[in-house]
Amino acid sequence: DTEVTQTPKHLVMGMTNKKSLKCEQHMGHRAMYWYKQKAKKPPELMFVYSYEKLSINESVPSRFSPECPNSSLLNLHLHALQPEDSALYLCASSPPRGADEQFFGPGTRLTVL
Amino acid sequence: AQKVTQAQTEISVVEKEDVTLDCVYETRDTTYYLFWYKQPPSGELVFLIRRNSFDEQNEISGRYSWNFQKSTSSFNFTITASQVVDSAVYFCALSEEVRRGAQKLVFGQGTRLTINP
Repeated sequence: DTEVTQTPKHLVMGMTNKKSLKCEQHMGHRAMYWYKQKAKKPPELMFVYSYEKLSINESVPSRFSPECPNSSLLNLHLHALQPEDSALYLCASSPPRGADEQFFGPGTRLTVL
Repeated sequence: AQKVTQAQTEISVVEKEDVTLDCVYETRDTTYYLFWYKQPPSGELVFLIRRNSFDEQNEISGRYSWNFQKSTSSFNFTITASQVVDSAVYFCALSEEVRRGAQKLVFGQGTRLTINP
């Protein structure tokens, strides 16, 4: 299995809703990442988990809450989002060697109404 | 701070033409890694190549080739005999290892490549 999967593919939510994005990989990678990508912009790093511990939080608002229950799973819990949070959310993983390429999932396209 | 510049925002060529995408980077690290990713309309970023700072050999993979020049801090990407399926946004990225096995990627702004039939 050489892929990163993300669910759901599309999500529409209101500003008072609580939802979660899910990311899964079975490649034995020990680093996992969340990125946010707005239209016509490059991906922006949000969070990095290394060996199931949060390594980097790029000053992301607390309405985004990451969770790494085990080495294969990465969640992003969403609560009280704003319309400007509408974007493509990409998950990625990379092997434990640190210098290798990141493997990206297909993304979740989020719309906040 | 690390920075990647892709000066070409959009490029449009006719099928079978050769096209070069430019990438210039800035870093104070002596060891670093450079990447190219392709993002088709479906949204997923597809890895194309990784190059470390000690390996200045050019690389060719089919119709794709990469020219890494440390002296000019450039890592350019050429597609030979372009095809419509090459239409996508291409990102150049620079990485630093931040913690055990984890890295931070700094992306350029991307070049939107359109290949017209």
